[in-house]
Amino acid sequence: LAKTTQPISMDSYEGQEVNITCSHNNIATNDYITWYQQFPSQGPRFIIQGYKTKVTNEVASLFIPADRKSSTLSLPRVSLSDTAVYYCLPGGANNLFFGTGTRLTVIP
Amino acid sequence: GAGVSQSPSNKVTEKGKDVELRCDPISGHTALYWYRQRLGQGLEFLIYFQGNSAPDKSGLPSDRFSAERTGESVSTLTIQRTQQEDSAVYLCASSLISAGYQETQYFGPGTRLLVL
Repeated sequence: LAKTTQPISMDSYEGQEVNITCSHNNIATNDYITWYQQFPSQGPRFIIQGYKTKVTNEVASLFIPADRKSSTLSLPRVSLSDTAVYYCLPGGANNLFFGTGTRLTVIP
Repeated sequence: GAGVSQSPSNKVTEKGKDVELRCDPISGHTALYWYRQRLGQGLEFLIYFQGNSAPDKSGLPSDRFSAERTGESVSTLTIQRTQQEDSAVYLCASSLISAGYQETQYFGPGTRLLVL
């Protein structure tokens, strides 16, 4: 059974870069890795998705090593509004297990 | 365009009563998902509909839980004989039909259920 692990919580000061690493040792060849962000009292929303190497968009970067057994979400220069729970979701079409996520708290 | 909508936004019920939660997915999205999120916890998969395929019900916690979907539109999640442990936020999401990789899921605001 595939198991995804990520830190339960992280704290960071405003303006710093935050890296959240997710371990997914049993990822399958065809699986993508997707990260979601959830604010209190809202549903999760898509941040970024990748298959290998590096992906960057206007919000974040995603680093995936060659073995693809982990991935790192990088948030540049976080602000207070980035305080949220971040979920790593490796898998194909039918991977629906979000796990407990990483609760990021940005401190002024 | 309109996102995923859910109703009611809040529901308070008494133990033993049945409740019905509704989800309206984004138009054109053939995949629809239901999740449960207890306070301070992650998302727990309940059921997944994709097109005309048989739904994946593997996440339903007991036979008190059921869900239906009308074609490729509205879905209802029904909880019979509610228990206090059913209190949670019930989230619905929809996506385009999977092309083999993981399609982005678009979530609704959720229904907050409180069982007294």
